[in-house]
Order: sequence, then structure tokens, then C-alpha cells
Amino acid sequence: KAGVTQTPRYLIKTRGQQVTLSCSPISGHRSVSWYQQTPGQGLQFLFEYFSETQRNKGNFPGRFSGRQFSNSRSEMNVSTLELGDSALYLCASSLLVAQAQFFGPGTRLTVL
Amino acid sequence: GESVGLHLPTLSVQEGDNSIINCAYSNSASDYFIWYKQESGKGPQFIIDIRSNMDKRQGQRVTVLLNKTVKHLSLQIAATQPGDSAVYFCAEMDNYGQNFVFGPGTRLSVLP
Repeated sequence: KAGVTQTPRYLIKTRGQQVTLSCSPISGHRSVSWYQQTPGQGLQFLFEYFSETQRNKGNFPGRFSGRQFSNSRSEMNVSTLELGDSALYLCASSLLVAQAQFFGPGTRLTVL
Repeated sequence: GESVGLHLPTLSVQEGDNSIINCAYSNSASDYFIWYKQESGKGPQFIIDIRSNMDKRQGQRVTVLLNKTVKHLSLQIAATQPGDSAVYFCAEMDNYGQNFVFGPGTRLSVLP
């Protein structure tokens, strides 16, 4: 089975812009979670989607949003980018909720 | 609140020796734990998991030990190899089964 894929792998944006990141889960996996990873804060949970519904959300501002499609693929969006949004954004999928998560390679976002 | 923390941020071991990476957690109701390995430029890779009804679980060259009395988790790597050099994270499923909480990570360096 192919693993979790994320596109794009690298992205450079300027402050105030918005960005959309994409994640394709492992085939058959229905739960997709997003994380932000920075050197200072480590791995922080953003949100989780299951069957096209957001079932849980971390402590991030409303500028961070996401969605899941009927084929379980997911996107996350960050609007009005700030310098502090520079991070590695990781997507993880699991067969069902509360099960082992498998990560993609991440999207490295740099905000200038 | 919940927290998952590591005792040692860095660990250096000689090639061929055994490595022990530790993790402390604060939520006594957590019942599912995962160890991940993250190499530079890659997403976290699932190593092994354990549920709270077990004290020990073994994989290939790895063993996870869970001590619920003192809320401590450890990952033992036998015959450590250069390819084991990475950052290791423990992750805890919180008591609501909502999302995983990750520790800050331990960097393992394998010396030749």
C-alpha cells in the first residue's frame, strides 16, 4: 500500500497570504489528522477529520481550517499567514479514530 | 492538564549497545501509547504501540515497557545501529480518546 502523501512538499509564502495543503491518506483509512511541528513547540495537534466531519480540534486560531472529502483526502487552509506559521505541517491517517496514526512526509511552509 | 514529557532531550550510544529512551506521562487514564521515529527531513514513522492492559510489547529489535504505577513509558532498542539515529517521540492517547499528545522528543545519536 502506498503511504500517506502530502503536496506540496515545500512552500514559500509572504505574510498576509493564504495557503492550502493537501493530504491523501493510506488507502482504506478514513481518519485524517493534521499537526504542526516547530522546533519550539514540537508536534501540536491541529484537527482530525473522519467521514468528512471534523471530530476534534486543537488550540489554534480560526485562521487554520480544514476539510475532508468523500474519498478521505483532506486539505487544510491557513489564511492571513503570519511569520509564526512557518513550520512543518504533517498529515497522519488511521483506519479509524483512536487507532495508530501513520504520517506523511510533511509540507514545509516558510512565511516571509 | 495532560502532558507527555521526556526525561532526556539527547542520548548518545555506541554502535552495538542497547538504547533506552524514556517518556513520562501525567494522565493516568491514558490507555494507548505509540513510539515514533523521525529522521531528518521525514515525517514520524510508527515503531511500536502498547495499550494499558499490557506491561511489555516486543517488536523487531525494539521493546516498549509501560509502568502504569509511575506513569512511565520506555523504548528499548537492542544492538543500536547508525540507522537508528533519529528523534524519538512518545505519543499518548488522551483520556477522551480524542487525539494523541506528543512528547517533546529525544534525539538519539549512535556513535561509531
